[in-house]
Amino acid sequence: DIQMTQSPSSLSASLGDSVTMTCRTSQNINSYLNWYQQHPGKAPKLLIYGATNLQSGVSSRFSGSESGTDFSLTISSLQPEDFATYFCQQISSPPITFGQGTRLEMK
Amino acid sequence: QVQLQESGPGLVKPSETLSLTCTVSGDSVSSGHYYWSWIRQPPGKEPEWIGDIYYSGNANYNPSLESRVSISIETSKNQFSLRLNFVTAADTAVYYCARQRWQYSSSLDYWGQGTLVTVSS
Repeated sequence: DIQMTQSPSSLSASLGDSVTMTCRTSQNINSYLNWYQQHPGKAPKLLIYGATNLQSGVSSRFSGSESGTDFSLTISSLQPEDFATYFCQQISSPPITFGQGTRLEMK
Repeated sequence: QVQLQESGPGLVKPSETLSLTCTVSGDSVSSGHYYWSWIRQPPGKEPEWIGDIYYSGNANYNPSLESRVSISIETSKNQFSLRLNFVTAADTAVYYCARQRWQYSSSLDYWGQGTLVTVSS
C-alpha cells in the first residue's frame, strides 16, 4: 500500500493568517491526490482534486500544489469556518488511502 | 441536488453481519461517470476506504476487508449496499456512502451524512 504522511498533525493559527499543510506519499502517485475538509460530526468535504484543481463551489482561498511526492494545501486569509481537520487521499494505487489528518485550531 | 442517505441498524452484535444501504437522489447509480463508494471512520481516526461498485456490478474492495465485505447495487431502486460479515468491536465506526468521480482523480464529491454503527453485545 502507498503510505501517506501528513504534517503537521495539528496547527494553530489566527483569523486572517495563511497556513500550509503537507502530505508526503511513499511513492509517485501521478497527481492522484485529493484534499478534504471535515468539521466535527460532519462528512468530509472535497476541496481539491488531482492535486491542484479547485472543486466547484469551494473558496479560492484554498489552493493545492505538488512537488514530486510532496503535496501541499494552502489556505489564505483564514476565516472562522476554516478551522477543521484536513485529510489528503490518494487513488493512484488501490486501496484508496487517507492521510492521518491535520487539525487546524484557532490560536 | 445530489444527495446520499445511509440506512441500517446502529447496533450490531459481535460475529454478526453489518448491513447498510445507501439511497441516492438527484443522480442515477446507473450513470457510467461514477463509482459508488463506502468509507468508514472510527472515532478520532482518519477515514478508511471499504470499497466501491460500478453500475455494471463490478466491485473493488480494500484488501484488509476483502474476505468479509460485499458491495451490491440495485439500479431499479437507485441504491447500493454494504455487507460486512463477522464484525468485531474494531468495526465500530461512522459509515459513509459517497459518489466517486473516476474521471477526476477518483475524488469523492458527494457524501452521505454518515451513520454510526456500534458493535457490541
